[in-house]
Amino acid sequence: GESVGLHLPTLSVQEGDNSIINCAYSNSASDYFIWYKQESGKGPQFIIDIRSNMDKRQGQRVTVLLNKTVKHLSLQIAATQPGDSAVYFCAEIRYNNNDMRFGAGTRLTVKP
Amino acid sequence: DVKVTQSSRYLVKRTGEKVFLECVQDMDHENMFWYRQDPGLGLRLIYFSYDVKMKEKGDIPEGYSVSREKKERFSLILESASTNQTSMYLCASSFGGKETQYFGPGTRLLVL
Repeated sequence: GESVGLHLPTLSVQEGDNSIINCAYSNSASDYFIWYKQESGKGPQFIIDIRSNMDKRQGQRVTVLLNKTVKHLSLQIAATQPGDSAVYFCAEIRYNNNDMRFGAGTRLTVKP
Repeated sequence: DVKVTQSSRYLVKRTGEKVFLECVQDMDHENMFWYRQDPGLGLRLIYFSYDVKMKEKGDIPEGYSVSREKKERFSLILESASTNQTSMYLCASSFGGKETQYFGPGTRLLVL
């Protein structure tokens, strides 16, 4: 069936290292992808997005890569900081049926 | 800044009780959404509304109803709470499509 999933439920990194969080999707018709950050006790917060006609998009310390060949999305966080500790999840949107699906999330822990 | 507020952060209810979860947004957004978030699962859409007095079923509407009497307020109602409705409930609003959603902090509901 169609789904949006994540490879790992948890990720632990050392402060200052780069983090890579992955997401797999199964429907090649997805048009748009979003990464969210959800800190403990808070609602999800938009981080970065990418359209299906792009391969890469960069923000401040974050980069999203989209590999449509293998239906894979990744979020890279440069120089990870303790404030980056949170659950990160991806979402996909298909405009033709206005459908939006969310991944379960990866919990990122940053060790000092 | 967009602000989406939810009436309670934590709620404990008994099976069979009627439960009201309130959500208010202050940015005159037309669209409002209710999701539930469970461990190991992505956000699942319960109901959404594109205008006052309008409502549309999401993916898991069973056991829930909603009310949108004013543009800024979207209420989720559990007519007769059951233990399987124990979850984190997230409200969101958007001006455009689903890609521009702003989330509230969530209400963690425990049904005993």
